[in-house]
Amino acid sequence: QKEVEQDPGPLSVPEGAIVSLNCTYSNSAFQYFMWYRQYSRKGPELLMYTYSSGNKEDGRFTAQVDKSSKYISLFIRDSQPSDSATYLCAMSLYGGSQGNLIFGKGTKLSVKP
Amino acid sequence: EPEVTQTPSHQVTQMGQEVILRCVPISNHLYFYWYRQILGQKVEFLVSFYNNEISEKSEIFDDQFSVERPDGSNFTLKIRSTKLEDSAMYFCASSKRVGQDQPQHFGDGTRLSIL
Repeated sequence: QKEVEQDPGPLSVPEGAIVSLNCTYSNSAFQYFMWYRQYSRKGPELLMYTYSSGNKEDGRFTAQVDKSSKYISLFIRDSQPSDSATYLCAMSLYGGSQGNLIFGKGTKLSVKP
Repeated sequence: EPEVTQTPSHQVTQMGQEVILRCVPISNHLYFYWYRQILGQKVEFLVSFYNNEISEKSEIFDDQFSVERPDGSNFTLKIRSTKLEDSAMYFCASSKRVGQDQPQHFGDGTRLSIL
């Protein structure tokens, strides 16, 4: 069983749509959950960082963590063509500072004008 | 906004040669990491480094790999005798300190091509 699973897509949506991206995981000890955005030939750029269960909102982005289901989500409201990128979920046992991150494979998103 | 910088952006090396990848972490960060991403695969953890020593390493980080912080600003990854399967993107990351709300920030990577 893979530790972190993420549908690679590709996912194509029209501009203005709400996008839902998801990851499931198998290790119930994960405590820290992150979403990174990666543009082509660039490094992962941190979008959201969440500890334990619950929701976190930042502008058009909302991250949700459901530890009971081992399921995390990222919602993007009013999606823009500039949101076209690969979205990586990542998680760790310890704080993001010291723990090694376990990544999903990434979902490639395309937002069409 | 401060960022992690990596050089070179692309390195081409003959199999069996040594290669050094360089990183300048964000200046007030204390924890440093290397990850790699083979084309089409997940980003994988290699090693973490704190207080001038390795704090954790993965199975990938074998005796062919080493890390060093030679001065107050640089953090390097050395591969002693490169293999074809070392071809990948190598990302450096850094973070401030232990605790909540201290995530890792990544550089744009070095693409390593082994011929």
